[in-house]
Amino acid sequence: DIQMTQSPSSLSASVGDRVTITCRASQTISNYVNWYQQKPGKVPKLLIYAASRLQSGVPSRFGGSGSGTDFTLTISSLQPEDFATYYCQQSFNIPYTFGQGTKLEIK
Amino acid sequence: QVQLQESGPGLVKPSETLSLTCSVSGYSISSGYYWVWLRQPPGKGLEWIGNIFHSGNTYYNPSLKSRVTISVDTSKNQFSLKLHSVTAADTALYFCARGTAARPTYFDYWGQGTLVTVSS
Repeated sequence: DIQMTQSPSSLSASVGDRVTITCRASQTISNYVNWYQQKPGKVPKLLIYAASRLQSGVPSRFGGSGSGTDFTLTISSLQPEDFATYYCQQSFNIPYTFGQGTKLEIK
Repeated sequence: QVQLQESGPGLVKPSETLSLTCSVSGYSISSGYYWVWLRQPPGKGLEWIGNIFHSGNTYYNPSLKSRVTISVDTSKNQFSLKLHSVTAADTALYFCARGTAARPTYFDYWGQGTLVTVSS
C-alpha cells in the first residue's frame, strides 16, 4: 500500500495567516493526490484534485501543488471557517489511501 | 444536485454481517462514475473500503477484501455494502460517495454518513 504522511499533525494559526500542509507519499504517484476538508461532525469536502485543480465552488485562497512524492496544500489567508481537519488522499494505486490528517486550530 | 444517503442498522453484533445501502438522487448510477464506500472509526482517519461501477465491476481494499461485498441495483439507483464477520474494530462512521472513473479518482459527493457500532 502507498503510505501518505502528512505534516504537521496539528497546527495553530490565526485568521489571516498563510498556512501550508505537506503530504509525502511512500512512492512516486505523479499528480494523483486530492485534498479534503472535514469539520467536526461533518462530511469530508473535496477541495483540490489532481494535486492542483480547485474543485468548483471552493474559494481561491485554497491552492495545491506538487508532483511525484511531495505535495502541499496552501491556504493563503485563513478565514474563521477554515479551522478543520485536512486530509490528503492518493488515487495512484488501489487501495486508495489517506494521510492521517492535519488538525488546524485557532491560535 | 447529486445527493447520497446511507441507510441501515446502527448496531450489529460481533461475527454478524453489516449491511448498508446508499440511495442516490439527482444522478443516475448507470450514467457513469464509481460508487464508493469509505469509513472513519471514531476520532480517526478515513479508510477506503471499495468501489463499484454501474456494470458491476468492483475494486476492494485488500485489507477487507475477504469480508466485503459491494453490489449495485441500477433499477433502484442504489448500491450496497456487506461486511461479514464484523468485530469491534469495524465500528465506524460509514460513508458512501461518488468517485470519478477518469484518473485521478477523487470523491466529489458524499453521503452524510451512518454510524455503525459493533457490540453484543
